[in-house]
Amino acid sequence: QSVLTQPPSVSVAPGQKVTISCSGSSSNLGSDYASWYQHVPGTAPKLLIYENNKRPSGIPDRFSGSKSGTSATLGITGLQTGDEADYYCGTWDRGLSAYVFGTGTRVTVL
Amino acid sequence: EVQLVESGGGLVQPGGSLRLSCAASKFIFIDYGMNWVRQAPGKGLEWVSYINSGSTSIYYAASVKGRFTISRDNAKNSLFLQMNSLRDEDTAVYYCATDGGRGTVARDWGQGTLVTVSS
Repeated sequence: QSVLTQPPSVSVAPGQKVTISCSGSSSNLGSDYASWYQHVPGTAPKLLIYENNKRPSGIPDRFSGSKSGTSATLGITGLQTGDEADYYCGTWDRGLSAYVFGTGTRVTVL
Repeated sequence: EVQLVESGGGLVQPGGSLRLSCAASKFIFIDYGMNWVRQAPGKGLEWVSYINSGSTSIYYAASVKGRFTISRDNAKNSLFLQMNSLRDEDTAVYYCATDGGRGTVARDWGQGTLVTVSS
């Protein structure tokens, strides 16, 4: 059972925008930064966002992140078929002394 | 570009053991903490274990504590995961990854190695 909760799935039309929420608690998102990952099944996951809102080199600015209190949000604009993937949030949980991932959100571009 | 190549996966019976390796290259391995992350069939990502650069700080997920041991050889740019007392639920693709710190579970990822626990 993950301690970070995400919606199971979202569907959007090409070119539209989507936001994915990640809800945690004071022991994880409330006390550390959020990170976001994109995982296309069968390939290696990819880091999209770190330290709440920073993008690694090579990640387009269509991807954005934010955090407020014990929740984090990933935003994706201009959805493309290539963005179809599973998206996970992640952070450190000081109560568990463990990294934790969110439950994951499947993004489908209709 | 960072390269991480896992090996050692395969089919093992319940109760058996397996040792995974991760060969790191194209970055200064000793500068980074490392993680193992896994994904069971049809499930989400699950963090397994962390080791810091000097092997002085190690953490495990509750699901593997007491059965798995993480280690590293900085002279050989290698990360390891010794898995004992394997269970069906340990069946997964196992990824090694560089630790990003500050809530970043994994900055760079390997392609993964499949571990199947089955009789």
